[in-house]
Amino acid sequence: QKEVEQDPGPLSVPEGAIVSLNCTYSNSAFQYFMWYRQYSRKGPELLMYTYSSGNKEDGRFTAQVDKSSKYISLFIRDSQPSDSATYLCAMSANTNAGKSTFGDGTTLTVKP
Amino acid sequence: GAVVSQHPSWVICKSGTSVKIECRSLDFQATTMFWYRQFPKQSLMLMATSNEGSKATYEQGVEKDKFLINHASLTLSTLTVTSAHPEDSSFYICSARAPGGVTDTQYFGPGTRLTVL
Repeated sequence: QKEVEQDPGPLSVPEGAIVSLNCTYSNSAFQYFMWYRQYSRKGPELLMYTYSSGNKEDGRFTAQVDKSSKYISLFIRDSQPSDSATYLCAMSANTNAGKSTFGDGTTLTVKP
Repeated sequence: GAVVSQHPSWVICKSGTSVKIECRSLDFQATTMFWYRQFPKQSLMLMATSNEGSKATYEQGVEKDKFLINHASLTLSTLTVTSAHPEDSSFYICSARAPGGVTDTQYFGPGTRLTVL
């Protein structure tokens, strides 16, 4: 079983929809949780990071972490065609090891 | 934000040749850089951790003699794929850990697509 499981998608939504992307994990040592966006043939771009449980909001993006359930989510409000990309969740146990464990990614298409 | 560049962005080479990929942190110093490879529709697979001034740490199953890593300065790490074969064709991505942060954030380069004929 993988340490990090991500809803595989692909996901296709109309413009303006609310999108929910999710990951579950098994390693209770994970404390830092990240979401990356990766456009086709490009490197991942850090979107959000959170520490421990709770919510974090940045514009149209909201990251949620529920450590008790080992479940994290990324919500995108008012989705735009430019949000079409693959979204990767990642998590790590500490700040110094520098090794994050990535999910396999969910490909999102927002149709105009 | 922190910018990481990679060169070349794509390369096509013949089987048996060696290919060098450069990863640079443009506006910050990175004591630690990471090298990943990514197959189509799959996630990032960490190959090795590159530490400035010391030997790289390779992940299990990654041949250190085939994937040579050099981190000679605080802004440059190189990955050399030696005696490349078609199965080495992949998307290679580096990242650099941003210093001074409280979270384990990495900034990724744009990737290098390697095709071995």
